Amino acid sequence: DAMVIQNPRYQVTQFGKPVTLSCSQTLNHNVMYWYQQKSSQAPKLLFHYYDKDFNNEADTPDNFQSRRPNTSFCFLDIRSPGLGDAAMYLCATSRDRGNEQYFGPGTRLTVT
Amino acid sequence: AQSVTQLDSQVPVFEEAPVELRCNYSSSVSVYLFWYVQYPNQGLQLLLKYLSGSTLVKGINGFEAEFNKSQTSFHLRKPSVHISDTAEYFCAVSGLTGANNLFFGTGTRLTVIP
Repeated sequence: DAMVIQNPRYQVTQFGKPVTLSCSQTLNHNVMYWYQQKSSQAPKLLFHYYDKDFNNEADTPDNFQSRRPNTSFCFLDIRSPGLGDAAMYLCATSRDRGNEQYFGPGTRLTVT
Repeated sequence: AQSVTQLDSQVPVFEEAPVELRCNYSSSVSVYLFWYVQYPNQGLQLLLKYLSGSTLVKGINGFEAEFNKSQTSFHLRKPSVHISDTAEYFCAVSGLTGANNLFFGTGTRLTVIP
């Protein structure tokens, strides 16, 4: 089945230790998104790629970076995780901007 | 700019009873509207969407929603809920122009009581 895959599902990292979360898609969609979702809150958009064009949200901390080496894969890098970065990280794709988004199962990040 | 309001943060309802989850939006342009469901420790799953055409939209799992342009609402309904419908429900809007990002409401926690 075509889908959005996120690995790992659960990630534990230490305070200040860089961590990378990965997302892959078999939908061949142009747009890939990264969201941060804290407990009992709505997902918050961090950034998105429209093809190779990177679009950062104005309030996304510099600590968060992203890479999209090809259509299928997108990575979220957290350079120096703080305790406040513990959250669920959701990857999503859409065929084009404004279309419905398809979400992966998420990666729950714990910072110790 | 777009924004979404979900007035009810929690909705408890007995099994087999009807439910309505409310969503109001504000936008200066025409919009697409969506409802997503999130089960514990999972991603968001699309329930239904309104893009154009008929204002009554049917989705998966027996849910439907009605777009009301004059009231800027997109309420989600189900005539008879099941225990398995217990989840978080998010209303979302995207504009037809500009960045087209999804703007989410704060979510409504639906709890179905046996």
